[in-house]
Amino acid sequence: AQSVAQPEDQVNVAEGNPLTVKCTYSVSGNPYLFWYVQYPNRGLQFLLKYITGDNLVKGSYGFEAEFNKSQTSFHLKKPSALVSDSALYFCAVREVGYSTLTFGKGTMLLVSP
Amino acid sequence: GAGVSQSPSNKVTEKGKDVELRCDPISGHTALYWYRQSLGQGLEFLIYFQGNSAPDKSGLPSDRFSAERTGGSVSTLTIQRTQQEDSAVYLCASSLRTGLSTDTQYFGPGTRLTVL
Repeated sequence: AQSVAQPEDQVNVAEGNPLTVKCTYSVSGNPYLFWYVQYPNRGLQFLLKYITGDNLVKGSYGFEAEFNKSQTSFHLKKPSALVSDSALYFCAVREVGYSTLTFGKGTMLLVSP
Repeated sequence: GAGVSQSPSNKVTEKGKDVELRCDPISGHTALYWYRQSLGQGLEFLIYFQGNSAPDKSGLPSDRFSAERTGGSVSTLTIQRTQQEDSAVYLCASSLRTGLSTDTQYFGPGTRLTVL
């Protein structure tokens, strides 16, 4: 079975500071990992994914994530937060050979001016 | 190009009524997924279509829930005899190739269902 944990319900950061949203996963085999963002009353928007290769993945809006196999983590990062980054962030995993995504519970990111 | 669209955007119904939710995937996408997002439950997988067939229905919560896809495109999720616990946002997603590929799933804006 595949699972994802997002240990923080909420992350607060000041504008201009770096941000990290944490994600750990559990799979039997190799994972495909994804980050999505959800703004109020909107669907999920794709940010980035790790399939294979370079452990550091760069995505939309200046976000990046680092795949760490030994720690089974895929934390989302951004060097300098913007107020407009405030939203709900979801990490998701799909194990190779499976067809469906399993999502974490989501982390609310609040960026203060 | 156009993204995934869903209709209606909001649906309010009375307990015991049937509802139909519609999803139009991105043109050319062969895989289609339904998810449910509710407070306390997060995002739950419901059903996956590859073309018109549904190889994975494991997430459907009860036999009151069903879905079909016709012409390899539009999908309809039907909930019969709605209950208050069915209140949630129903999200549809599509991806270009099979669910076993590395393709990204792209989501629609969702249908907010409220059962009174």
